[in-house]
Amino acid sequence: GNSVTQMEGPVTLSEEAFLTINCTYTATGYPSLFWYVQYPGEGLQLLLKATKADDKGSNKGFEATYRKETTSFHLEKGSVQVSDSAVYFCALRSGANSKLTFGKGITLSVRP
Amino acid sequence: GAGVSQSPRYKVAKRGQDVALRCDPISGHVSLFWYQQALGQGPEFLTYFQNEAQLDKSGLPSDRFFAERPEGSVSTLKIQRTQQEDSAVYLCASSLRRDYYNEQFFGPGTRLTVL
Repeated sequence: GNSVTQMEGPVTLSEEAFLTINCTYTATGYPSLFWYVQYPGEGLQLLLKATKADDKGSNKGFEATYRKETTSFHLEKGSVQVSDSAVYFCALRSGANSKLTFGKGITLSVRP
Repeated sequence: GAGVSQSPRYKVAKRGQDVALRCDPISGHVSLFWYQQALGQGPEFLTYFQNEAQLDKSGLPSDRFFAERPEGSVSTLKIQRTQQEDSAVYLCASSLRRDYYNEQFFGPGTRLTVL
C-alpha cells in the first residue's frame, strides 16, 4: 500500500537558517506529492505540490522537487522566519482514488 | 468566501455515548472527505463522498462509525458507543470536482475526547 515517511522531529532553528525536512514515499503507480502546513490554531493548508517526476513545487519561499529515482520529496527553504513555525505534513495521492496519505508530520519552531 | 466549517470544534463524550460531527463544505464542492488525526500523527483517511454517494468507506475503523451526506452538501460523521481509542481530531475536507488534481480544502477539525 501507499505510505509516507517523514524525518523525526521536532526541529528548532534560528531565524534565517536553512531548512530541510526529509520525506520519502512508497506508492503504486505515479503519485502526486504534497506538502501541507498547519499553523497554530488553524486548519491544514496546502503549501505546495508536484504531480510528476522532476516537477518542482514552490510557494512562500519553500521548494520541493519530485524525485522518482529516490522516491523523495524533501522540503527546503533558504531562510526561515519566525512566522514559519508550524507543523509540516508530507502527503501523496495515487491512482484513481482521491484520498490523501499523510506522513506523521514534523513540528518546526523558529526562534528570533 | 467561506471555507470548510466543522462543528462542534470540541466534544467531550463519556465512553459508550453516541456523537455526531458536522461538516459544511465549501459551497458547490462535489467531493467531501473525512480524516481522523490521532495525537502526534498525520491524518488518516476515513471515507469519501462524491455528491451524496459514498464511494469509499474503506478507512472507517469499525461498524460503529457511520457517515452520510444525504443532499450532497452537509455531511455528518456519527460514532456510536464511543471508546477511548476514538479520541482524535476529525478533519473534513472538500474539493470542487472529483478531478484527480483538485486541491482538498480542510476544515479546522473537531477534537473529540472520550473519557
